[in-house]
Parts: sequence; C-alpha cells; structure tokens
Amino acid sequence: AQTVTQSQPEMSVQEAETVTLSCTYDTSENNYYLFWYKQPPSRQMILVIRQEAYKQQNATENRFSVNFQKAAKSFSLKISDSQLGDTAMYFCAFMKHLAPGNTPLVFGKGTRLSVIA
Amino acid sequence: EAGVTQSPTHLIKTRGQQATLRCSPISGHTSVYWYQQALGLGLQFLLWYDEGEERNRGNFPPRFSGRQFPNYSSELNVNALELEDSALYLCASSARDALEKLFFGSGTQLSVL
Repeated sequence: AQTVTQSQPEMSVQEAETVTLSCTYDTSENNYYLFWYKQPPSRQMILVIRQEAYKQQNATENRFSVNFQKAAKSFSLKISDSQLGDTAMYFCAFMKHLAPGNTPLVFGKGTRLSVIA
Repeated sequence: EAGVTQSPTHLIKTRGQQATLRCSPISGHTSVYWYQQALGLGLQFLLWYDEGEERNRGNFPPRFSGRQFPNYSSELNVNALELEDSALYLCASSARDALEKLFFGSGTQLSVL
C-alpha cells in the first residue's frame, strides 16, 4: 500500500519570504501522480500543483513549484513570495493509475502553514 | 460553472441515528469520491463511485454505505452513528477522461452527540 509522510505538522513564514514544505512517499509503482492540495479555513480542498512521475521536469504554477526527486521518493513544495492568503493546511497526495479496486488519492496528514505579516 | 456541491453544510445527530450526506458533482463528471477528515487523522478514503458502480471502498465498516444516481450525484449513508464518526466528510468528482483531477466540495461537518 502506498503511504505519504509529511514530517512538518506546522510551519510559519514571514510575508514575502520563501518556504518549503516536505513530503515523502512510498510506492513500488513506476507511473503515478503527486499532488499538493491546500485547505484554507473554508475547508474546501484546492489543487495547488500536480506532478506526473514520468516527467522529469518539476511542475511550476506561478509562485508554487515542486522539487520532485523520484529516486528518493521526495516531493517538496516551495512557495515563493508568501502571501497572507497562503495560510492554510497543505496536503501532499499520491495517486497511481486509477482503476477499479485502486485507491484514489492517498493523503499525508498535512502541514499547517501560517504566513505572518 | 458550478463546482462540487455538498449538503447539508452541518449535520448534528445522536448516537445510533442514521445520517445521509449528499453530493452533486461538477457537470460532466462521472466519478464521485468520498473522504472522511477526522481531527488529527488526515483524509481517509471512504468510497469511489463511477458510472453508478462502486469501484472501491476504504477500510471502513459496512455501516458506511452509499450510492450514485443516474445523474451522477451521490449519497453517503452512515448507520448506527458512533461518536467517532464525527468528522468533515468531503466529496470530490472527476471526469471520465481525467480521473486523476479531483475537484473537492466544501464538505459536510457531521457531529455525533
């Protein structure tokens, strides 16, 4: 079974600074997807960024980028120029090819990020 | 375009009662997923429905059940409620040609007293 580990329960960062959230995962699969989701106080899970394992290039979405190390099974999220609106729970998630009997997204336990003015 | 909608937003029940939670997927999405987010436990996979069929279920007792209707909306039923069923229940949906792109609703907060 796949597992996702986020070793930082809580983090804080000053506004406009850069912060990196860590995530490691365990799988024997070769093809899969990795995700970072954000959950603000509104509770809705919002997709921040997605990485396909077969792509060597790290995904980037505006101020959000990842460092995907497939051999090390590591998938960290870097938030640049942090904004107060980035304050939220961040979940790392794993998905292998989705087929009947497979589990969809497997989540880590989350990292609570606070952006301080 | 409307996102994934869940109802009710909050639900208060007592032990032993039954709860019914509802989810409407994004228009055109055929797969619906249910997750339980209990305090301190992260998100746990409950059920996956696609085209009206149950495709997989997580490690939950049989009193957690659901169904998907012909219009792809879904219900989650929890029978014989226990205190530890108190949690946020999140529904997500995805399209047939992009199953890996899950879009989530804002959840139903179930409190069991």
